This record gives sequence, C-alpha cells and structure tokens, in this order.
Amino acid sequence: RKEVEQDPGPFNVPEGATVAFNCTYSNSASQSFFWYRQDCRKEPKLLMSVYSSGNEDGRFTAQLNRASQYISLLIRDSKLSDSATYLCVVNADTGFQKLVFGTGTRLLVSP
Amino acid sequence: GAVVSQHPSRVICKSGTSVKIECRSLDFQATTMFWYRQFPKQSLMLMATSNEGSKATYEQGVEKDKFLINHASLTLSTLTVTSAHPEDSSFYICSAGSGLAVTDTQYFGPGTRLTVL
Repeated sequence: RKEVEQDPGPFNVPEGATVAFNCTYSNSASQSFFWYRQDCRKEPKLLMSVYSSGNEDGRFTAQLNRASQYISLLIRDSKLSDSATYLCVVNADTGFQKLVFGTGTRLLVSP
Repeated sequence: GAVVSQHPSRVICKSGTSVKIECRSLDFQATTMFWYRQFPKQSLMLMATSNEGSKATYEQGVEKDKFLINHASLTLSTLTVTSAHPEDSSFYICSAGSGLAVTDTQYFGPGTRLTVL
C-alpha cells in the first residue's frame, strides 16, 4: 500500500464549479499534513497546511480526519488558473521534516 | 517567502558523464536540505537528506556512491550524479528548511531537468 494515496484524475470542471480532492495516508504516526500545487514541469508550491480543526484560505478549504487517516481539499468557484496537479503531502514519523508525496490529482478547469 | 535557487535548470549530457546540480538558499540559512527526484507522472521521491557539515542520509534504494551530496555551507548543497545513464534522466528538485521542527516549512527550488543521452 502506498504511504499517500490520491485519485490521479483528471478532474475536468467548468469555471465556477466546486471540486473536492481526497487523500488517504497509511502512517498513523504522521504529524503534519499539507496540500501542494504543482504546475507542469515546475516545482511544487505550498498551497496550505492542514490542521485537525480544518482551515480555510480564500476559496480553498482543507480538512483532516485523523481517525480515518483522510485529508481533503475543497476548491470553490474554480478559476482557469487553478488548473494544476494537487499533491497531498504528509510528513513521515521520524519527527523530522521528511515529506512523503502523493502522486497528485490533476485538475483541469475549462471556460 | 524564502527563495531557493537551483542551477542549472536544465542539462543534457552524454551517458557516462557526471553532472553537478547546485541548490542555494538565497535569503535564509538552511540547516537541512533535501534532494528529490520525480519521474514523469510519478510523485516526488526523497533521495537524501543533508545537514550542513555532516554526511547525507540516503533513502533506501538510492546509491550514495552514485549520487554524491555535499552540504558545505548553510546556503549551498550540491548533488552530483556520477556516471549518469539514461535511466537517471529525471526532474531533480531540492528543498531547504530553516529549522528542525516537524512543522517548519520547506522551500523548494525550481528543479533541474536532467536528460542523459
């Protein structure tokens, strides 16, 4: 079983739609959780950290369910510029900064 | 946010040659730097973790004699792919962290695309 699993997509949505991505992780000792965005042939960029209480940043909302080892990302009012691959990232249980990346979910927002 | 640079951004080389990739933290001191590799349509895979002034820690399956890492200062780490072969063609990305805590942010460089002919 992969340490971090994501649906690869692609998710094809029209502008203005709401779209949700899910991610599961296998290591129950993981402590930190993130969503990164990666554009084609570019480096990943931090979108947001994910906290147990859930957190929101503009049109983006992230949720964490530790019991189910499940992370979600909700994007409201999708923009064309949201088209990218969204990476679910979890830190390993070493207590240090070792990050484990999912393979990503590709989002395509069309006019 | 903090800036991490990588050089070169792209390199094409012949099989058997060695390639050095530099990773620099431009506006902060990086206690730790990480080297990742990403093959097409796959996730980033951590290759090694390097701490300034000490030997790098390699992930399982990564040959330390093939991928030489040097972290001589708090702002520079280098990855040398020795005797590169076509299967080493990949996107190599470094990241730098300023702290030791689990929650400290890592800042990613723009990546180096290596093509070995």
